[in-house]
Amino acid sequence: AQSVTQLDSHVSVSEGTPVLLRCNYSSSYSPSLFWYVQHPNKGLQLLLKYTSAATLVKGINGFEAEFKKSETSFHLTKPSAHMSDAAEYFCVVSEGGKLIFGQGTELSVKP
Amino acid sequence: DTGVSQDPRHKITKRGQNVTFRCDPISEHNRLYWYRQTLGQGPEFLTYFQNEAQLEKSRLLSDRFSAERPKGSFSTLEIQRTEQGDSAMYLCASSLTSTWLAGAWTDTQYFGPGTRLTVL
Repeated sequence: AQSVTQLDSHVSVSEGTPVLLRCNYSSSYSPSLFWYVQHPNKGLQLLLKYTSAATLVKGINGFEAEFKKSETSFHLTKPSAHMSDAAEYFCVVSEGGKLIFGQGTELSVKP
Repeated sequence: DTGVSQDPRHKITKRGQNVTFRCDPISEHNRLYWYRQTLGQGPEFLTYFQNEAQLEKSRLLSDRFSAERPKGSFSTLEIQRTEQGDSAMYLCASSLTSTWLAGAWTDTQYFGPGTRLTVL
């Protein structure tokens, strides 16, 4: 069975500084990996998706993630945090079509 | 296209009552999924349909839960004899059929806003 582990339950950054949200995956074959974001009282929104076409994936709102097979990682980054980035972020792996979510990382952005 | 919609957005019920939630997927999507999210956790898969056929059910889906998608369009999720442990956000998502391409699944699921259930 596939799984993802988000290494930090909470990350706090200052506005304008880089963001790093860490995710490791476990999969017996090349996985489909996603990052979703959930703002308070809003639905889950897809940030980006990896499906083996390119190891560096660019998403919406300036986010990107790099797939590293040797490290079984799929970390999410953004060069400069904005206040509107404060939300819950989920690393997700697809297994037979259904999604398996990590526990989530809450991102706080300080002014 | 207005995306995935769910109704109601909030439901408060007393323990032992039955509740039913509705999900309307994106119109051309043939797959529909239900997930449950409890406070502080990531969503957990419950079940999914391809057209009107229910293809997989999680062990989380007890006998008190039933889901239908009678015409391959909207879906309903019913919980009978609700318990306080059923309190959660129930999320619906839709997608096109998963395709195995270049060694990976290529589907993308789009989520609705969810139905928050509170069982008193």
